[in-house]
Amino acid sequence: DIQMTQSPSSLSASVGDRVTITCRASQGISNYLAWYQQKPGKLPKLLIYAASTLQSGVPSRFSGSGSGTDFTLTISSLQPEDVATYYCQKYNTVPLTFGGGTKVEIK
Amino acid sequence: EVQLVESGGGLVQPGGSLRLSCAASGFTFSTYAMSWVRQAPGRGLEWVSSLTDNGDNTYYADSVKGRFTISRDNSKNTLYLQMSSLGTDDTAVYYCAKLVGAIDSWGQGTLVSVSS
Repeated sequence: DIQMTQSPSSLSASVGDRVTITCRASQGISNYLAWYQQKPGKLPKLLIYAASTLQSGVPSRFSGSGSGTDFTLTISSLQPEDVATYYCQKYNTVPLTFGGGTKVEIK
Repeated sequence: EVQLVESGGGLVQPGGSLRLSCAASGFTFSTYAMSWVRQAPGRGLEWVSSLTDNGDNTYYADSVKGRFTISRDNSKNTLYLQMSSLGTDDTAVYYCAKLVGAIDSWGQGTLVSVSS
């Protein structure tokens, strides 16, 4: 099975900072990669699918890139409401494996 | 508006069984693949199982294969997860999820606690 590895597992940044989270697949998955945001005590929310397509209603400060095995989620200017854990997920084939998550906090 | 409402969670002893249900509304249930995803307390998201729109094809994580059975009743717009031989590692919030490739809608979750 393909493993999904996220890094870092946590980060602390200041409001306005550019934040980048990385997700690496152990084998190529083309662009079948989604990013989710889960705020504390809340449901996960789809941010990006097909590696770089922003889900409707998601602020434009979020962006995704990558293809094959290496992917990134970027928050161009971190806001207080972005405090959350972010997960990547592959969906080309089952198992629909999630990455381990990246917890984003405000410094 | 898409709504997914899970039920059936609760406290069960190790080795026990439980059936979860997910009532779907706000979309044409019979045309979408569906999944169950779980999240243990303080842990990350774990895909559990999926099935196709007509229910003909089912898929399971290795951790639940042979113990869990996913099914659906498209006439009732309901998704099910039959869980047996439950162990403490199965303690988690179980989410029903609508698949569009990725997951675009989540239920509020139902807590399954496995403890003696």
